[in-house]
Amino acid sequence: DGGITQSPKYLFRKEGQNVTLSCEQNLNHDAMYWYRQDPGQGLRLIYYSQIVNDFQKGDIAEGYSVSREKKESFPLTVTSAQKNPTAFYLCASSILRSPYEAFFGQGTRLTVV
Amino acid sequence: GNSVTQMEGPVTLSEEAFLTINCTYTATGYPSLFWYVQYPGEGLQLLLKATKADDKGSNKGFEATYRKETTSFHLEKGSVQVSDSAVYFCALSGTSVGTASKLTFGTGTRLQVTL
Repeated sequence: DGGITQSPKYLFRKEGQNVTLSCEQNLNHDAMYWYRQDPGQGLRLIYYSQIVNDFQKGDIAEGYSVSREKKESFPLTVTSAQKNPTAFYLCASSILRSPYEAFFGQGTRLTVV
Repeated sequence: GNSVTQMEGPVTLSEEAFLTINCTYTATGYPSLFWYVQYPGEGLQLLLKATKADDKGSNKGFEATYRKETTSFHLEKGSVQVSDSAVYFCALSGTSVGTASKLTFGTGTRLQVTL
């Protein structure tokens, strides 16, 4: 089945540690995205990539880093510089033509203690 | 920039009641419009979409019509079920070359349906 796989589903880390969230897609989509979801705030874009080896900052990129070495993979690293990392993280992908609908993974809930 | 405004929730309805969730948007150009649904602890699933003025998107009994004159895309369902309880997000695509694939989301509206 084609889709987007995020792992792990739950992640616990100690404050000050970097952590990497995995996102893999087999939909052959060119574009991939990372969103952060907090209660009552909807989705906020962290980073996005439209082509391998290239990515752009979204609205809340500070404290995060990404890479896009393969079309299928777009891992997100939450660094110790991110002040409030506890959140639900969603990865998505899309083709680069209208209507640009995005397909989402199941999410990773990160808790920093 | 583009923006989406949704009615605040939670919206609480009895089973078989009529549902409307309001969504209005601000955008330059002609975005595609979407409704996504999120069940607890899961990612977002596309519910329906519309790509041009007067288009009606529909799926699983839900409908929404792209109204350019009122910049709205209200979600409706004639008879809700308990299984429709979820959070619903309105979204629109970008309208500039190179950023059209960047979706802008509303804050979400929680729907609770009771027996």
